[in-house]
Amino acid sequence: GAVVSQHPSRVICKSGTSVKIECRSLDFQATTMFWYRQFPKQSLMLMATSNEGSKATYEQGVEKDKFLINHASLTLSTLTVTSAHPEDSSFYICSAPGLAGDEQFFGPGTRLTVL
Amino acid sequence: GQQVMQIPQYQHVQEGEDFTTYCNSSTTLSNIQWYKQRPGGHPVFLIQLVKSGEVKKQKRLTFQFGEAKKNSSLHITATQTTDVGTYFCAGPADDKIIFGKGTRLHILP
Repeated sequence: GAVVSQHPSRVICKSGTSVKIECRSLDFQATTMFWYRQFPKQSLMLMATSNEGSKATYEQGVEKDKFLINHASLTLSTLTVTSAHPEDSSFYICSAPGLAGDEQFFGPGTRLTVL
Repeated sequence: GQQVMQIPQYQHVQEGEDFTTYCNSSTTLSNIQWYKQRPGGHPVFLIQLVKSGEVKKQKRLTFQFGEAKKNSSLHITATQTTDVGTYFCAGPADDKIIFGKGTRLHILP
């Protein structure tokens, strides 16, 4: 079946640095990918919809200049957390819909810890 | 590794009939979450269950968390066309969250 990978699975960085998270669809093409964050014991919160070849669509309250999304190819979307601060520490997950639109393939997630 | 399995994969029901999807984990879960994805959309959070044996209701939707905290179910009473979509369960596993593959619900008018 379709697989979505994320890299890295875990990252620890210093406050003020930028961190890039990659989301890849391994055996299918994804014109759209979704980025979520999850705080401990809470649900996934959609951050943005990544669209191949065009600008991402951000959810209300998500700073587009802080969370840069690039969907440069049909198999890769990246989320860059710029000037990371401790409050950005969270679990970030991406997902990609299947061709039929009624499937969703989730990445394994990336644990970001900002010191 | 830990797995979260959902059955059935697909379900077609007549409008007005009930629907149930089941979620089973290979290990005990500290909590379980349910999401709904409308066709062409993204998963949207429905509910989180935490306690053993917990039952929660949202209008026509009833969510249960098993006593052993290894299984869960979502039951929809008297389905409507607006219930069409894919329902996912998800549970924490170490430092990750693991999703079931989802149950696709189709409503026949």
